[in-house]
Amino acid sequence: KAGVTQTPRYLIKTRGQQVTLSCSPISGHRSVSWYQQTPGQGLQFLFEYFSETQRNKGNFPGRFSGRQFSNSRSEMNVSTLELGDSALYLCASRDWTGSNEKLFFGSGTQLSVL
Amino acid sequence: SQQGEEDPQALSIQEGENATMNCSYKTSINNLQWYRQNSGRGLVHLILIRSNEREKHSGRLRVTLDTSKKSSSLLITASRAADTASYFCATDADRDDKIIFGKGTRLHILP
Repeated sequence: KAGVTQTPRYLIKTRGQQVTLSCSPISGHRSVSWYQQTPGQGLQFLFEYFSETQRNKGNFPGRFSGRQFSNSRSEMNVSTLELGDSALYLCASRDWTGSNEKLFFGSGTQLSVL
Repeated sequence: SQQGEEDPQALSIQEGENATMNCSYKTSINNLQWYRQNSGRGLVHLILIRSNEREKHSGRLRVTLDTSKKSSSLLITASRAADTASYFCATDADRDDKIIFGKGTRLHILP
């Protein structure tokens, strides 16, 4: 099976712009989670989608949003970018059948906001 | 917010020695997982231990869980240069089953 695919790998944006990141989960996985990783804060949970519905949400402002499509692919959007949004954005999928809680991660999108 | 806190934040040991990392968490959990991350890449799952288990082994990895103290430890035996990475504990917090990570331990294996 192909792994979790995130695109693009790198992004450079300026303050005030918006950005959309994409994540394709492992085939058959219906859950997709998004995390923001910064050197000071570690991995912060953004949200999780399951079967096109947002199942969980972290403590991020409304500028951060996401969605999931019928093929389980997910996108996250950040509007009105701020310098503090510079981070590695990680996507992870899981099977979630039975009691399988293991996450499979993509390589991430490194976002730099100038 | 962080559910888990790893300790120490950074650890340097000689190749061949054992490395021990600890994780403390705040709320009751169903399971605890450990992940490894190599330099700015995605995380890789290492091992999962359930709340009714006390110890688990996988190759050179040994994980313990003490739910009364809300803590876990990861032991890597006979360390190798390839073990240089950041290690994170992750717990499923509250009934929503979202998986929350700590800030990680940076492990450096010296040749």
